[in-house]
Amino acid sequence: EVQLVESGGGLVKPGGSLRLSCGTSGFNFDNTYMTWVRQAPGKGLEWVGRILSKPDGGATVYAAPVQGRFAISRDDSKKTLYLQMNSLKTEDTAVYYCTTEDADRDYYYMGVWGKGTTVTVSS
Amino acid sequence: DIQMTQSPSSLSASVGDRVTITCRASQYIGNYLTWYQQKPGKAPQLLIYGASSLQGGVPSRFSGSGSGTDFILSINGLQPDDFATYYCQQSFSLTPITFGQGTRLDI
Repeated sequence: EVQLVESGGGLVKPGGSLRLSCGTSGFNFDNTYMTWVRQAPGKGLEWVGRILSKPDGGATVYAAPVQGRFAISRDDSKKTLYLQMNSLKTEDTAVYYCTTEDADRDYYYMGVWGKGTTVTVSS
Repeated sequence: DIQMTQSPSSLSASVGDRVTITCRASQYIGNYLTWYQQKPGKAPQLLIYGASSLQGGVPSRFSGSGSGTDFILSINGLQPDDFATYYCQQSFSLTPITFGQGTRLDI
């Protein structure tokens, strides 16, 4: 069974940092692109960024609101995805989901989602 | 960025009804359109990708159609488990990937 389990959320002050982890099992993590998506309280879904698999170069790309503050990385030996969040703002308050990025033909979609971890940025 | 607009933002329906939700892209996206379902307090789940391809395990009462800029999610014969919020998402441009604002389906 494919499983994604996020951890590391919590309460942090504005300007602070937090690192989220996403432990995975049940699929070939090494060859899977991964994505972070967030959802502010009562709001819709917002794509945060993605990381390619290392065989495909391991590049990362980010949404404009987090560019330069957030960094996605992966440890294939631990089958774990990370989201390093720096210079946090109150508007970063959200549930953060990690997802697999799957493809059929050249249609990309977020196939499997974790349950999410909550980040609250408040003084 | 490609903007995705869903309509309506919310709708009420009854068990057994047929409902349609529309998603419009601000520019051409071919068939690069995905639908997700999200229940309160839960993570979203994949329903349909490639505008019309049903994800394995999703009931056949769900269907997707459209191409270019206009897309429809249809649910035939609503079941109690279908009352949720539905999101469309484009993957024509992967930087950034963008979602619609969601459509809440209530009883």
